Amino acid sequence: AQSVSQHNHHVILSEAASLELGCNYSYGGTVNLFWYVQYPGQHLQLLLKYFSGDPLVKGIKGFEAEFIKSKFSFNLRKPSVQWSDTAEYFCAVTPYNTDKLIFGTGTRLQVFP
Amino acid sequence: DADVTQTPRNRITKTGKRIMLECSQTKGHDRMYWYRQDPGLGLQLIYYSFDVKDINKGEISDGYSVSRQAQAKFSLSLESAIPNQTALYFCATSTSGGALNTQYFGPGTRLTVL
Repeated sequence: AQSVSQHNHHVILSEAASLELGCNYSYGGTVNLFWYVQYPGQHLQLLLKYFSGDPLVKGIKGFEAEFIKSKFSFNLRKPSVQWSDTAEYFCAVTPYNTDKLIFGTGTRLQVFP
Repeated sequence: DADVTQTPRNRITKTGKRIMLECSQTKGHDRMYWYRQDPGLGLQLIYYSFDVKDINKGEISDGYSVSRQAQAKFSLSLESAIPNQTALYFCATSTSGGALNTQYFGPGTRLTVL
């Protein structure tokens, strides 16, 4: 079955630390890839997405993600986190031509001042 | 995103009651979705609709039903609520598939079944 794995369930960082959140998926064909963020008490918002082209994708708020096809990975990165980045982050995958968005279980990020 | 609204935002109900959650969108999207979110499980797809006449079951449709009253409205019903349906419910919309298939989420409905 198609699935999305997020290795880190809970990450705690200090401000200015660098962030990398792992995401791997199990699907052998073409995929569309997404990272969503959910701030406390709010709905999911799109951070960035990859459909094709440059595998390094830049999103909002200084986030970026790199698609590595050979590793079935789409890791999220930010060079220097801020307290306001405290949120839950979800990786999601749409296998091409299926229209179904398959979510990972999420990573809770806490950033301390 | 104010383009996708959900009512109510919070609801507490008792076991056995019928509950309806409503979703409206002004984005003009054809496709609408209902998800539930449980701690540690991410989001799971309950039902989805590609247009008014097209309704499809998702991963966890048992115990739920939906109605697509119009392009802009998609309701989720729990015919007889049970405590393990306590969760956060999200509605989402998207345009047609392929590269345009980015889903936009509503603010969520927190449902508690006692």
